[in-house]
Amino acid sequence: DGGITQSPKYLFRKEGQNVTLSCEQNLNHDAMYWYRQDPGQGLRLIYYSQIVNDFQKGDIAEGYSVSREKKESFPLTVTSAQKNPTAFYLCASTTGSGRGTQYFGPGTRLTVL
Amino acid sequence: QQQVKQSPQSLIVQKGGISIINCAYENTAFDYFPWYQQFPGKGPALLIAIRPDVSEKKEGRFTISFNKSAKQFSLHIMDSQPGDSATYFCAAKEYGNKLVFGAGTILRVKS
Repeated sequence: DGGITQSPKYLFRKEGQNVTLSCEQNLNHDAMYWYRQDPGQGLRLIYYSQIVNDFQKGDIAEGYSVSREKKESFPLTVTSAQKNPTAFYLCASTTGSGRGTQYFGPGTRLTVL
Repeated sequence: QQQVKQSPQSLIVQKGGISIINCAYENTAFDYFPWYQQFPGKGPALLIAIRPDVSEKKEGRFTISFNKSAKQFSLHIMDSQPGDSATYFCAAKEYGNKLVFGAGTILRVKS
């Protein structure tokens, strides 16, 4: 089955620790995205990547980092510089053809203890 | 600055009724307007989408109405069912396939 997988589903972090969230897609999509979701605020774009080895900051990139070494993978690191990291994190991908339909993974819920 | 404004924040509809969610935007460069449905603890799923050269699109019980001059679009859910209870997001696509999302509407359909 084609799709987007995110792991882990739940993640707990102590203050001061960096954590990495995994996102993998087998849809052969060129573009991948990371969003943060907080109650009542919709989805906010953290980082996005249109092609391998290239990525751009979104609206709330501070305290996060990404890499795009492979087309199918786009991991997100939440660093200790992110002051309020507790949230639901969503990864998405699209073909990059300009149509605009983004397909989302199941999400990772990160809680800082 | 919120580029896509969505209302209402929450909505309660009786089973069989019509659910209406509205969105407004400012950026005339947006060229694609999808709606997503999200169940608790899950990722959003594309429900229906429209381009600005079309005034209405219908898929089953779901209809998007689009008013380009007013820069508004809305989602209508006909014959609403308890299984439609979810959070709905409107969005608009800008350059680079980036989507700008509304804040979401929590829909509850009472049986």
